[in-house]
Amino acid sequence: GESVGLHLPTLSVQEGDNSIINCAYSNSASDYFIWYKQESGKGPQFIIDIRSNMDKRQGQRVTVLLNKTVKHLSLQIAATQPGDSAVYFCAENPDNYGQNFVFGPGTRLSVLP
Amino acid sequence: GAGVSQSPRYKVAKRGQDVALRCDPISGHVSLFWYQQALGQGPEFLTYFQNEAQLDKSGLPSDRFFAERPEGSVSTLKIQRTQQEDSAVYLCASGTRGLGTEAFFGQGTRLTVV
Repeated sequence: GESVGLHLPTLSVQEGDNSIINCAYSNSASDYFIWYKQESGKGPQFIIDIRSNMDKRQGQRVTVLLNKTVKHLSLQIAATQPGDSAVYFCAENPDNYGQNFVFGPGTRLSVLP
Repeated sequence: GAGVSQSPRYKVAKRGQDVALRCDPISGHVSLFWYQQALGQGPEFLTYFQNEAQLDKSGLPSDRFFAERPEGSVSTLKIQRTQQEDSAVYLCASGTRGLGTEAFFGQGTRLTVV
């Protein structure tokens, strides 16, 4: 289940189960969204992206859903593995012509053996 | 490897000291980004370059922060008269276009101001 940690919300899932990480974004004009994975001591790593003209996009073991009505993104990870343990961030681009992406606060995913 | 390289990996500065953080982007990448990441938080945008042109510096928190990319490759983020609130990880990313599938982050420089 979910709990609020000292700094980050944490999601704990059993290995092999599916994970769903949620993100509320702030700007209804944002047209492009990215999910990043960040492991301890490393920079963010691109997972998957989606444009505002889509509501779903699938990658390898990952799916991103976009609900523009309620400004909500989710990242679904199928058959979660120990290597998926990390902090996950959503990022939105509130300016169509710029590159000043706004990152969410992050969710820590912990995969239990 | 051929990834984004940042140096130093760790930097401890005394309050009031000037620091310079270096980013070596992936060769041929025209776009370069600097982000600041405080402990337990998401990265925050600082500035963006396309080749040597600094197209957006709206995220730089004060005039103590200065970034340059004079030849369109290596970039330096300089912080003058460091303060404790400057303590953070400074991330650099480079890409062929904007942030997205073709952009990659470095490991960051952890700055601690004491």
